[in-house]
Amino acid sequence: DGGITQSPKYLFRKEGQNVTLSCEQNLNHDAMYWYRQDPGQGLRLIYYSQIVNDFQKGDIAEGYSVSREKKESFPLTVTSAQKNPTAFYLCASSIRLLGETQYFGPGTRLLVL
Amino acid sequence: GENVEQHPSTLSVQEGDSAVIKCTYSDSASNYFPWYKQELGKGPQLIIDIRSNVGEKKDQRIAVTLNKTAKHFSLHITETQPEDSAVYFCAAIKRGKLIFGQGTELSVKP
Repeated sequence: DGGITQSPKYLFRKEGQNVTLSCEQNLNHDAMYWYRQDPGQGLRLIYYSQIVNDFQKGDIAEGYSVSREKKESFPLTVTSAQKNPTAFYLCASSIRLLGETQYFGPGTRLLVL
Repeated sequence: GENVEQHPSTLSVQEGDSAVIKCTYSDSASNYFPWYKQELGKGPQLIIDIRSNVGEKKDQRIAVTLNKTAKHFSLHITETQPEDSAVYFCAAIKRGKLIFGQGTELSVKP
């Protein structure tokens, strides 16, 4: 069963804590993306990666970090520097970066305690 | 940079009626325009897309039209059903990055 999986579905963060959101795909896609969605708004790009060991900042990268050590995996860390982390986080992938359809995972909702 | 405006923000129709959602984009270099449907608490799902060399594309009850000169594209849903109720997002792609509209919350009343 091919697709994109994200875990956990819900995540709670305490003040000053770093948390990591998981994203895995078995579609053999080269490109992967992380988006943030706030209530009633569109999606905003946090980071993206065209290929293993390479990633680029999106429009709202401050307070976030990523890694791309394997083609299948693109974890996102929300650091303590992100002062307003409560949001719905979506991971996506596409065959290549340029002009290709992006497919989304089910999302992770992050809440601050 | 690219900017995508989407209207209306909310749309309520009676079951069986048609629904139309419109988007405008600013960058004439954009060449790919997908539409996504997002149900509550889930990730967006691609429902239809169109490339800049095509003016219209249809898939059963869903169609998308593109006017490159005016830089706008529209989603048309005919014979709406209650399960069409969701938030719909348009997007324009440039250099591999998707720029999303603000979303339209469609409510289909039985």
